[in-house]
Amino acid sequence: LAKTTQPISMDSYEGQEVNITCSHNNIATNDYITWYQQFPSQGPRFIIQGYKTKVTNEVASLFIPADRKSSTLSLPRVSLSDTAVYYCLVGDLLEYQLIWGAGTKLIIKP
Amino acid sequence: KAGVTQTPRYLIKTRGQQVTLSCSPISGHRSVSWYQQTPGQGLQFLFEYFSETQRNKGNFPGRFSGRQFSNSRSEMNVSTLELGDSALYLCASSFDEGADTQYFGPGTRLTVL
Repeated sequence: LAKTTQPISMDSYEGQEVNITCSHNNIATNDYITWYQQFPSQGPRFIIQGYKTKVTNEVASLFIPADRKSSTLSLPRVSLSDTAVYYCLVGDLLEYQLIWGAGTKLIIKP
Repeated sequence: KAGVTQTPRYLIKTRGQQVTLSCSPISGHRSVSWYQQTPGQGLQFLFEYFSETQRNKGNFPGRFSGRQFSNSRSEMNVSTLELGDSALYLCASSFDEGADTQYFGPGTRLTVL
């Protein structure tokens, strides 16, 4: 089972681009990388998912290098409402081997 | 389209009692998964149901059980409650089985006294 390592916390300011990096040195061939966002007392919310290279949607980008041993979630022009915990998950979607780490607590300051 | 709903939102029980939590997935979703979230252990996978069958199970004791009905709604039961069962219980639904994009409900906050 792939395990992930993320920074415990990060600070940034409104309007800045925030990059959160996740390490997953033991990622397997069938593993996908998924990021979720969670606000206090709410369930996690899907942000983005990818397998390799770069994926972009309306809220974020996900950069995955060729060796896939890490990935970076990029949040453009953050606002105060982006203050949340961000989880990086790595696992085989079909075999349901997802393991949730501690996440990264992102605090956005005005 | 309505999101995942969980009832009740808050629950207070005493040790030794049992509790049943309910989850209604997004319409059309056939997979329902349950998670326990605590400050100390984070998010831990309990089990997944797909087409009324338990497909995967996490590392929890047999006191934790669940089921899924033909309309994909799911219930989770915890018997003989312990203080350590106090947690936020989250339900997530997805269209297909496995860990594809999951949509989480707001959770049920269980407090065991």
